[in-house]
Amino acid sequence: EDQVTQSPEALRLQEGESSSLNCSYTVSGLRGLFWYRQDPGKGPEFLFTLYSAGEEKEKERLKATLTKKESFLHITAPKPEDSATYLCAVQARNYGQNFVFGPGTRLSVLP
Amino acid sequence: NAGVTQTPKFQVLKTGQSMTLQCAQDMNHNSMYWYRQDPGMGLRLIYYSASEGTTDKGEVPNGYNVSRLNKREFSLRLESAAPSQTSVYFCASSEERGTSGRFGPGTRLTVL
Repeated sequence: EDQVTQSPEALRLQEGESSSLNCSYTVSGLRGLFWYRQDPGKGPEFLFTLYSAGEEKEKERLKATLTKKESFLHITAPKPEDSATYLCAVQARNYGQNFVFGPGTRLSVLP
Repeated sequence: NAGVTQTPKFQVLKTGQSMTLQCAQDMNHNSMYWYRQDPGMGLRLIYYSASEGTTDKGEVPNGYNVSRLNKREFSLRLESAAPSQTSVYFCASSEERGTSGRFGPGTRLTVL
C-alpha cells in the first residue's frame, strides 16, 4: 500500500541547533517529492521539488535531499522564524498527477 | 495579485445543513483542487479540476460536490453536512495538473 510518513511528529530545537526532518515513502513509481511549510492558520507554502535520488535543493537555512526511500529536510542553524509545520508530499504513478501528503512535522525553534 | 482566496474563513453548521465553500485564483492557473486537513493526517484530496470544464474525484469525494464555474473559480458544496466533515478545507491552484501550486488560507468548518 502506498504510504507517506514523517518523523518526528514534533521537534523542539534551540536557536542555532541544526537537525533533520524525515519523510519516508513507499509508493509505486515516484514522479516527484515536494516539501511545503505551513504556518498556523495558513495554507501550505511550497519550498522544494525533488525528482530523482541524489538530488538536493537549498533555500536559506533549508536543504532537501532525496534517496530511493526517503527525503530529508536539513535545517542548519535554525531561527525562531523557522518554526512551522513541514509537510512532504509525493506524486506517484498510482495517483496519476495527484499528491499524497504526509502528516507533517511540527517544528518549534526556541530563542 | 491576491493569489488564492477562500470564503468564508470560518463556518459552523448543524448536521444536515448545506453550504458552499468558495475559491478563486487570479494567477490564470488551469488546475484547481480542494483538500481537507484533519489532525494527525495529511492533506487529502477531495476533488480536482485539471482544466476549465472538467472535474474529477480525489481520494475522499463522498459527501461533496464541486463546480468549476470558470477558469478562476472552483466551489465545493456540502449538501447535507455531517460531523465527520468537520475539518479545515484548503483550495489550491497550479499552472498545470501535477505541478506545485499555491494554497489558499483555508476554511475552518465545524459541523455540530
